Amino acid sequence: QKEVEQDPGPLSVPEGAIVSLNCTYSNSAFQYFMWYRQYSRKGPELLMYTYSSGNKEDGRFTAQVDKSSKYISLFIRDSQPSDSATYLCAMSVNTGNQFYFGTGTSLTVIP
Amino acid sequence: DGGITQSPKYLFRKEGQNVTLSCEQNLNHDAMYWYRQDPGQGLRLIYYSQIVNDFQKGDIAEGYSVSREKKESFPLTVTSAQKNPTAFYLCASSIGEARANVLTFGAGSRLTVL
Repeated sequence: QKEVEQDPGPLSVPEGAIVSLNCTYSNSAFQYFMWYRQYSRKGPELLMYTYSSGNKEDGRFTAQVDKSSKYISLFIRDSQPSDSATYLCAMSVNTGNQFYFGTGTSLTVIP
Repeated sequence: DGGITQSPKYLFRKEGQNVTLSCEQNLNHDAMYWYRQDPGQGLRLIYYSQIVNDFQKGDIAEGYSVSREKKESFPLTVTSAQKNPTAFYLCASSIGEARANVLTFGAGSRLTVL
């Protein structure tokens, strides 16, 4: 079983839709939960991270962590064509150098 | 602005040649990493370094070498021993222990073997 599972998509939505991206994980020791956006041929850009459980909001983006279900989500409200990218989830324990990545979900927002 | 600079962006290599990818950061981060990204496979760790003059192998270190002579710099050499080197290479850094354990990435270097 992989440490982190992420549906690769592709996901295609109309402009203005609410997008939900999800990852599941198996290691209950994970404490940091990250979401990255990666445009084609570019490096991943850190969108948001949360520590432990709960929600975090930044503009149109909301990250949720449910540690009891080992499930994290990224919601994008009022999606825009510029949100078209691959979204990667990543996780780590409190300290150390081990980071675990999902394989990424490809999102297209259609104008 | 602080960040990670990778160069070159695109690199072509003939079979049998060694090539070195540069990674420089001005974030004052202690830890640095090299990942390889292939379509459909996600990110795989090649090497990482927690401090100067120290580094550890990741999951796919064979055919690669690194050095960490300065805190800011972590170059990766792709040797001729790497059987399938064509890939997108990403350098990353993190602030270090006991702080927010998240990664910051560079823009990447695309290596193509001719």
